Amino acid sequence: AQTVTQSQPEMSVQEAETVTLSCTYDTSENNYYLFWYKQPPSRQMILVIRQEAYKQQNATENRFSVNFQKAAKSFSLKISDSQLGDTAMYFCAFMDRDNYGQNFVFGPGTRLSVLP
Amino acid sequence: DGGITQSPKYLFRKEGQNVTLSCEQNLNHDAMYWYRQDPGQGLRLIYYSQIVNDFQKGDIAEGYSVSREKKESFPLTVTSAQKNPTAFYLCASSIAFPPPGRSYGYTFGSGTRLTVV
Repeated sequence: AQTVTQSQPEMSVQEAETVTLSCTYDTSENNYYLFWYKQPPSRQMILVIRQEAYKQQNATENRFSVNFQKAAKSFSLKISDSQLGDTAMYFCAFMDRDNYGQNFVFGPGTRLSVLP
Repeated sequence: DGGITQSPKYLFRKEGQNVTLSCEQNLNHDAMYWYRQDPGQGLRLIYYSQIVNDFQKGDIAEGYSVSREKKESFPLTVTSAQKNPTAFYLCASSIAFPPPGRSYGYTFGSGTRLTVV
């Protein structure tokens, strides 16, 4: 079974600084997808960024980028120029491509606080 | 605009009572899911459905039931057999079988907070 680990339960960063959230996963599959979701205090889950495992190029979305290391099974999220609105829980998630539509495996989350 | 609507936002249940949480989507997604989130924890899958009139148990299905009579709707009933139902419940939907090489992830509703009183 796949597992997702986020080793940092809580983190904080000063506004405008850069922060990196860690995620590691365990799988025997070769084709899969990885995601980062954000859950602000409103509790709405928002997709931040996604990565297909077969793509070597790291995904980027504006101030958000990932460092995908397939051999190390690592998928960290970098937030540049942190803003107060980035304060949220961040969940790393894994999905096996061959079982798409059946189940995400979520990590336990990292609570990020952006300080003014 | 397309999306997922969960209702109610807050729900209170008395001991021994069944309650039903609503989830409706207009995204034309085949697959729908129910997750439970406890304070400070990640999401745990309760049930999921990939097609109408079919659904599968997730990791924590005991004490819950679902139906999928319409593509747009996937209601969750929390029965009296669920001994600790106080939690935040999230509904999600997705394309069940995307084109090869494409990924879309889930679209989530805004959640229902259930409290036992």
